[in-house]
Amino acid sequence: GAVVSQHPSWVICKSGTSVKIECRSLDFQATTMFWYRQFPKQSLMLMATSNEGSKATYEQGVEKDKFLINHASLTLSTLTVTSAHPEDSSFYICSAPLASLKLFGPGTRLTVL
Amino acid sequence: SQELEQSPQSLIVQEGKNLTINCTSSKTLYGLYWYKQKYGEGLIFLMMLQKGGEEKSHEKITAKLDEKKQQSSLHITASQPSHAGIYLCGVTAAGAGGTSYGKLTFGQGTILTVHP
Repeated sequence: GAVVSQHPSWVICKSGTSVKIECRSLDFQATTMFWYRQFPKQSLMLMATSNEGSKATYEQGVEKDKFLINHASLTLSTLTVTSAHPEDSSFYICSAPLASLKLFGPGTRLTVL
Repeated sequence: SQELEQSPQSLIVQEGKNLTINCTSSKTLYGLYWYKQKYGEGLIFLMMLQKGGEEKSHEKITAKLDEKKQQSSLHITASQPSHAGIYLCGVTAAGAGGTSYGKLTFGQGTILTVHP
């Protein structure tokens, strides 16, 4: 069935390094995908909209140069956290629409030391 | 932008008890989604409501959308420890199309604990 997968499920990196997170739609195509961030005991906050074939749209307050988004194909979007710092540590979740459904990936936990 | 207010923020119940979580919007709801999340995991889709007065049930969970389409409730009957988690209501932007399609704004979530 149609699902959204993410890789990796967790990652630990050193401060100053870059980390790439992949979001894939399985068994369906997604011209648009959404990236959310969730801090402990908080709700999901939309970071950006990933558009296949065009630039991503970022929400207010989200640094586009820090959170690079590439929608390489109709089934893959990547989020790269550049020059990561401890405050970037969070749970990152992607979503893709399938008809009226909004499918979510299992999330990626990023810890920056 | 549309804001969603969930209540209560946290809830602790004894197994077997019924409970209700509310989600109130400042604007008319055109597509209201309920999700459940275990800590550190992705979101599990529960139900979607679109029409005023609509009610849907799945197993022991019932979701309703009021006639005015500004409030939704999620009711769990005879709660079990497996119901524990974070419940989130989310809404799509009214009349959204193009690249906005599929974007959800979430309430702050309700943390449910069920004691055996």
